[in-house]
Amino acid sequence: QSVLTQPPSVSGAPGQTVIISCTANSSIIGATFDMHWYQQFPGTAPKLLIYGNTNRPSGVPGRFSGSKSGTSASLAITGLQAEDEADYYCQSYDRSLRALFGSGTKVTVL
Amino acid sequence: QVQLVQSGPEVKKPGASVRVSCTTSGYTFTNFGISWVRQAPGQGLEWMGWISGYNGNTKYTEKFQGRLTLTTDASTTTAFMELRSLRSDDTAIYFCARSTAAALGYWGQGTLVTVSS
Repeated sequence: QSVLTQPPSVSGAPGQTVIISCTANSSIIGATFDMHWYQQFPGTAPKLLIYGNTNRPSGVPGRFSGSKSGTSASLAITGLQAEDEADYYCQSYDRSLRALFGSGTKVTVL
Repeated sequence: QVQLVQSGPEVKKPGASVRVSCTTSGYTFTNFGISWVRQAPGQGLEWMGWISGYNGNTKYTEKFQGRLTLTTDASTTTAFMELRSLRSDDTAIYFCARSTAAALGYWGQGTLVTVSS
């Protein structure tokens, strides 16, 4: 069982909302944890999209939002655009403060 | 602005070692740690370890214990990643990244390490 479980892919038409889930194995992550989200285009470095569950770094469009409830976190893309087609990863830490990434979700814009 | 610039691509034979550098600028080096993350071809992100820019304390994922050494040189604001006993499945892009509010807010451009006989 993966520590951070993401769906392999999600898709949506332009303008729609897509939601990417990330479910944590609480026995490894712990009961209280923060989730961070990254966007990665092929051949480039990941980019921080959401930190501390809900916070957007400066410059990240408002159509990206994060939430967390219990042992799951979600990234929502509202008003999907063609340029949002990329891979998305969630990330947190285990009880020893070692970072962990989800397996990644490919977003396809139909 | 914060920048992390990594060294160039490497080609190594199985059993060899590789050392990748990550030269930083635009912030106080000793105030932040550097993580190393790798990505094998077509695969996801894998965190390898972290080093404090303040005192050199390290944390490694168990998978790389004994093969991985992270170091820093504060005088040149550079972090280094050395991976030993390379295998073909170590072929990957290796990234350095600086922490920001516990997330990885700034990333290097990545260094391709190819392990092939």
